[in-house]
Amino acid sequence: DTAVSQTPKYLVTQMGNDKSIKCEQNLGHDTMYWYKQDSKKFLKIMFSYNNKELIINETVPNRFSPKSPDKAHLNLHINSLELGDSAVYFCASSKGTSGYEQYFGPGTRLTVT
Amino acid sequence: KQEVTQIPAALSVPEGENLVLNCSFTDSAIYNLQWFRQDPGKGLTSLLLIQSSQREQTSGRLNASLDKSSGRSTLYIAASQPGDSATYLCAVRPPRGSTLGRLYFGRGTQLTVWP
Repeated sequence: DTAVSQTPKYLVTQMGNDKSIKCEQNLGHDTMYWYKQDSKKFLKIMFSYNNKELIINETVPNRFSPKSPDKAHLNLHINSLELGDSAVYFCASSKGTSGYEQYFGPGTRLTVT
Repeated sequence: KQEVTQIPAALSVPEGENLVLNCSFTDSAIYNLQWFRQDPGKGLTSLLLIQSSQREQTSGRLNASLDKSSGRSTLYIAASQPGDSATYLCAVRPPRGSTLGRLYFGRGTQLTVWP
C-alpha cells in the first residue's frame, strides 16, 4: 500500500495556465509538507500543515496556494504558471511537527512550456 | 540561516568497496539529522534518523555518525552493491519548538556502484 501518494506524476502545461497537484497519505499523520526540487536537485520546503492548519509558509509567490481539506490530504494549486515553476514537487508527511521522520511521496514533475 | 553541504557531489566506486559520504551544516543547534536516498524519478526514502543526543545509528550495511559540535555527519556504506546506486541526501531539523518540522537539505551525493 502506498503511504504517500501524489497525482499526477507528470504535468506538462503552458505558461499562464492554472494547475493543481494532489497529495494523500494513509499513515494517519497529522503533518504534511510540500517541497520543491529545482533543476539542480536542491530541495526546499514550501509549506507545511498541521491538523489542517498552515504552520510553515516559506517565501513562495502567492500564485502558490496550498489547501488541506482534511488531515490526510494536502493539495497545491498554482495560478498563472511561469517557466521558473518547472521543478519536481514532493509531498511529505510526519506524525507531528517535532522531530518525527518525514515520509515522502514519489514527486510530481511539472514542466511549464 | 542553516546551510547544509554534501561532499563529494558525485562518487563512482566498484562493487564491494566501503565508502563514506559527508554532510556538514553551519548551525550546530539541530534537533536531529536525517539521511535519505533518492532513486532517479522516485521520491525520497528515509534511511536513518539521528537525534542530536546520539552519536551514531546503524541499519544493515549503513552507519551514520553525528558530531553536532563540529557540524558534521557521515554516512558509511559497507560492501557497496550496484543496487546502492542513488543520490544520498542529508537533511537537518532545527531545534524543537522552532520552525516546526522544517528540514534543511544538502544537494546530495550521487553514488554509482559499478559491477
